[in-house]
Amino acid sequence: DAKTTQPTSMDCAEGRAANLPCNHSTISGNEYVYWYRQIHSQGPQYIIHGLKNNETNEMASLIITEDRKSSTLILPHATLRDTAVYYCIVRVVSGGSNYKLTFGKGTLLTVNP
Amino acid sequence: GAGVSQTPSNKVTEKGKYVELRCDPISGHTALYWYRQSLGQGPEFLIYFQGTGAADDSGLPNDRFFAVRPEGSVSTLKIQRTERGDSAVYLCASSLAGTGPYEQFFGPGTRLTVL
Repeated sequence: DAKTTQPTSMDCAEGRAANLPCNHSTISGNEYVYWYRQIHSQGPQYIIHGLKNNETNEMASLIITEDRKSSTLILPHATLRDTAVYYCIVRVVSGGSNYKLTFGKGTLLTVNP
Repeated sequence: GAGVSQTPSNKVTEKGKYVELRCDPISGHTALYWYRQSLGQGPEFLIYFQGTGAADDSGLPNDRFFAVRPEGSVSTLKIQRTERGDSAVYLCASSLAGTGPYEQFFGPGTRLTVL
């Protein structure tokens, strides 16, 4: 799987949008971008994934650049409960080891009151 | 519905002892995974089951680690002759299938401490 690069930490004010960047410059055409988050002392939680197009669900939006070399996870109205480590992961669409999630160290997002 | 459950939530053992960690996946999920998370690191893949068989155990660190899933549901991770370096949070996840863009649902983990 392609390597991802994320900032170690970020801060965000409660109620504001949190924009978490991820670089995946070596991503292949058959790899998805996935985002998970891990709240302290819990297991990772799936947020969203995308291949080429921007995606939105009830939790977040995912913006993928046209060249697919980077992406941004957007939490539109961050709350204190969004404080967590956010992991950006690239994963092959099918075949090979596509079942395997390769986590980096992620970004610790701290939402401040 | 019920999510992935893991027992025990905490396990403290002495160096050299044997431990078993249990995972109950979401009903109907054929794929099951074990990951290990050391302090300050992201989870690392250990093993993947598709049904009853281990399809990929390449992440198991050595032959002291073994996992089973005899009936294609509950899985047990077994660690023999535990060492202090085995201390970590052991996470279990399940998904509808291993191949395809299916999200993995994680349990809360078992925190293993080897004294």
